[in-house]
Amino acid sequence: AQSVTQLDSQVPVFEEAPVELRCNYSSSVSVYLFWYVQYPNQGLQLLLKYLSGSTLVKGINGFEAEFNKSQTSFHLRKPSVHISDTAEYFCAVSDTKDSSYKLIFGSGTRLLVRP
Amino acid sequence: DTGVSQNPRHKITKRGQNVTFRCDPISEHNRLYWYRQTLGQGPEFLTYFQNEAQLEKSRLLSDRFSAERPKGSFSTLEIQRTEQGDSAMYLCASSLGRYRGNGYTFGSGTRLTVV
Repeated sequence: AQSVTQLDSQVPVFEEAPVELRCNYSSSVSVYLFWYVQYPNQGLQLLLKYLSGSTLVKGINGFEAEFNKSQTSFHLRKPSVHISDTAEYFCAVSDTKDSSYKLIFGSGTRLLVRP
Repeated sequence: DTGVSQNPRHKITKRGQNVTFRCDPISEHNRLYWYRQTLGQGPEFLTYFQNEAQLEKSRLLSDRFSAERPKGSFSTLEIQRTEQGDSAMYLCASSLGRYRGNGYTFGSGTRLTVV
């Protein structure tokens, strides 16, 4: 079984400052890793994913994440945030051998960008 | 193609009533997923379809829940004898099953409130 821990329920940050949202996972099998963003009253949108290859992945809206297998982490970063980045961010994993492709999500981190 | 559509957006019902939600996926997507998201939590997998076949159901899906995808297009999720614990956002997502790298496309969800 897999589980995902997002260590911070809320992260306040000033506009144009850098931000890191933390994600750790636990799994006995190899996994794919994802970050999704959810704006108020909307569904989830894929930000980026790690399937294989380079451990540093770049996504939309200037976000990037680094897969660290030894620390079982997949932290999300952005060098300079905007007000419009205020949203809920979810880290998720998927068992590479699971043909359902279902996702196991963390509990989310609310990013609050202040002017 | 306007993405994944879910109706209704909001539903308030009295405890004990039956409710039905509809999801229209992206037309060429053969996989359709249902997730449930309670306040302050990440989405939890409920069930998924490949074409019209329901291939997996979570233990979260009690016998009061039933999902169908009769012609491999739209899907319905019915909850019978609703309970207050059923209050949540119900998310639908679709994908092309042969390549998980694109992730899912989520709908905006149906928010159910049981009073």
